[in-house]
Amino acid sequence: AQTIHQWPVAEIKAVGSPLSLGCTIKGKSSPNLYWYWQATGGTLQQLFYSITVGQVESVVQLNLSASRPKDDQFILSTEKLLLSHSGFYLCAWSLAGYQDTQYFGPGTRLLVL
Amino acid sequence: GDSVTQTEGLVTLTEGLPVMLNCTYQTIYSNPFLFWYVQHLNESPRLLLKSFTDNKRTEHQGFHATLHKSSSSFHLQKSSAQLSDSALYYCVMSNYNVLYFGSGTKLTVEP
Repeated sequence: AQTIHQWPVAEIKAVGSPLSLGCTIKGKSSPNLYWYWQATGGTLQQLFYSITVGQVESVVQLNLSASRPKDDQFILSTEKLLLSHSGFYLCAWSLAGYQDTQYFGPGTRLLVL
Repeated sequence: GDSVTQTEGLVTLTEGLPVMLNCTYQTIYSNPFLFWYVQHLNESPRLLLKSFTDNKRTEHQGFHATLHKSSSSFHLQKSSAQLSDSALYYCVMSNYNVLYFGSGTKLTVEP
């Protein structure tokens, strides 16, 4: 069975500090991977997607970057956090492209102070 | 640009009454995929149902929806609401690996 793990579960960070969030998918080879952001009380906004290792496409510019160093790993990062980065970050995977079901991870809650 | 509109932010129903959550979308592409995702409290979203075919009803777990390309709509319906249906419902449109989420409708079902 496929499992999706996100780390950390929650973070409290200072404005201007760096951030790295991780996502790992086990049990599925070459999945499509996605990062989403959900502001408190808001809807989900897709940030990045990746079809293969080393290739990441940006959907929304929020002063964040993403990388896919391994087939099963997706990293979201920034060198300088902003207050507006607070929220809930979700990683998701799908078997194929845009027509396929997305399976979401448990998420990471981020509070920037 | 591409977008999804859910007009109701909050819907409160009594158990046993029918559910209808509205969803319309806007896109320049002729073949979008439409989804309904449900997010229960403190959980991640999960797929409820999806459709690609015009005028074909799709059903899952008692819910159903029909994609109408002529009106760009994909409304979610259920004949009888249950307490366990209380959740946040997102209408989602997908084009070429980009998903567009509506603002969500919070459904509360009361006894």
